[in-house]
Amino acid sequence: GAVVSQHPSRVICKSGTSVKIECRSLDFQATTMFWYRQFPKQSLMLMATSNEGSKATYEQGVEKDKFLINHASLTLSTLTVTSAHPEDSSFYICSASQGPIDQPQHFGDGTRLSIL
Amino acid sequence: KNQVEQSPQSLIILEGKNCTLQCNYTVSPFSNLRWYKQDTGRGPVSLTIMTFSENTKSNGRYTATLDADTKQSSLHITASQLSDSASYICVVSATNAGKSTFGDGTTLTVKP
Repeated sequence: GAVVSQHPSRVICKSGTSVKIECRSLDFQATTMFWYRQFPKQSLMLMATSNEGSKATYEQGVEKDKFLINHASLTLSTLTVTSAHPEDSSFYICSASQGPIDQPQHFGDGTRLSIL
Repeated sequence: KNQVEQSPQSLIILEGKNCTLQCNYTVSPFSNLRWYKQDTGRGPVSLTIMTFSENTKSNGRYTATLDADTKQSSLHITASQLSDSASYICVVSATNAGKSTFGDGTTLTVKP
């Protein structure tokens, strides 16, 4: 079935560092990729939606200059947390879809980001 | 405003017992409803997906039902196992929206 690989699974770094997270669809072409943030014991919060070859659409309250999203190919999207601070520490999850919203979303296994 | 409400927020059951999780939604116009299982520290995994015309869909010991008239769905887990301990998330999509609406999830704990 559809597999989404997210890398790295865990990152620990110093405050002020920029961190890049990759999301790859391994066996299908992902027209749309989604990036989520999840705090402990809470559900997923959509950060942005990206379509291949176009700029990402960010949800209200999400800083686009802070969370840079690139979706340059049908199998790869990246999220870069720029100048990360402790409050950016969270669980980040990507998902990929082959088409419009009625197509299933396939999730990666998430990235645990810890900023010291 | 599109909303998805899940109940209960958390549930503890003994191994081998059955349980039912609820999902009520106000998403319109309705496209599909999905149930996901999320283990701690992992990404969600799809259990079922139902469209407007489907009332019931099963995936092993998981059976989802959908009542599009009352805008309610349930996820029934039969003969629970310890590995069923996880968060179960209901996600509803509208036909005219570019994103889905997530419920807050139900945390299920299965005890031996």
